[in-house]
Amino acid sequence: SQKIEQNSEALNIQEGKTATLTCNYTNYSPAYLQWYRQDPGRGPVFLLLIRENEKEKRKERLKVTFDTTLKQSLFHITASQPADSATYLCALGGAGSYQLTFGKGTKLSVIP
Amino acid sequence: DVKVTQSSRYLVKRTGEKVFLECVQDMDHENMFWYRQDPGLGLRLIYFSYDVKMKEKGDIPEGYSVSREKKERFSLILESASTNQTSMYLCASLGPHTEAFFGQGTRLTVV
Repeated sequence: SQKIEQNSEALNIQEGKTATLTCNYTNYSPAYLQWYRQDPGRGPVFLLLIRENEKEKRKERLKVTFDTTLKQSLFHITASQPADSATYLCALGGAGSYQLTFGKGTKLSVIP
Repeated sequence: DVKVTQSSRYLVKRTGEKVFLECVQDMDHENMFWYRQDPGLGLRLIYFSYDVKMKEKGDIPEGYSVSREKKERFSLILESASTNQTSMYLCASLGPHTEAFFGQGTRLTVV
């Protein structure tokens, strides 16, 4: 069965450093991968989408990579700030399918 | 901006009650979803709908049903609420680029 793993439940980093979150998957060939941010008690908010034929996507301080050979996506936040503290979810989608399969998330804490 | 609105932020219901969770989106999206989110289990898909009056079971449909009579509204129904249905319920609609827009969530407690 499909399996998505986000590297850790929690990640603490110092303000100003680059945070790197990992999303690994097995038994799946996604057409695209997405990252979401979720604050406590709120619904997830879409951040970035990367397709299977793309290696890297950037948006302001965010960068996503997608390696279909390694079956892995890396999500980077550069120059991290305490306001970046949240849970980050990866989600995979298949070609012709409208369903998204979500990872369990990584809780990022940026320490001042 | 796309808006997905869930009818309640917090609900407390008794075991055995029939519970309705309402979700409305304002962007004419065809696809809508209901998830529940539990600590350690992540987001799990209950049901989704790709058109009015159309529905498909997700990963955990047992104990739930849905209704989509109008394109903008997708309702989740707990036929007979049980304590193991205490959870955060999230509604989402799917945008044109497959991005999901979520509501603010309904935290349901069944006592």
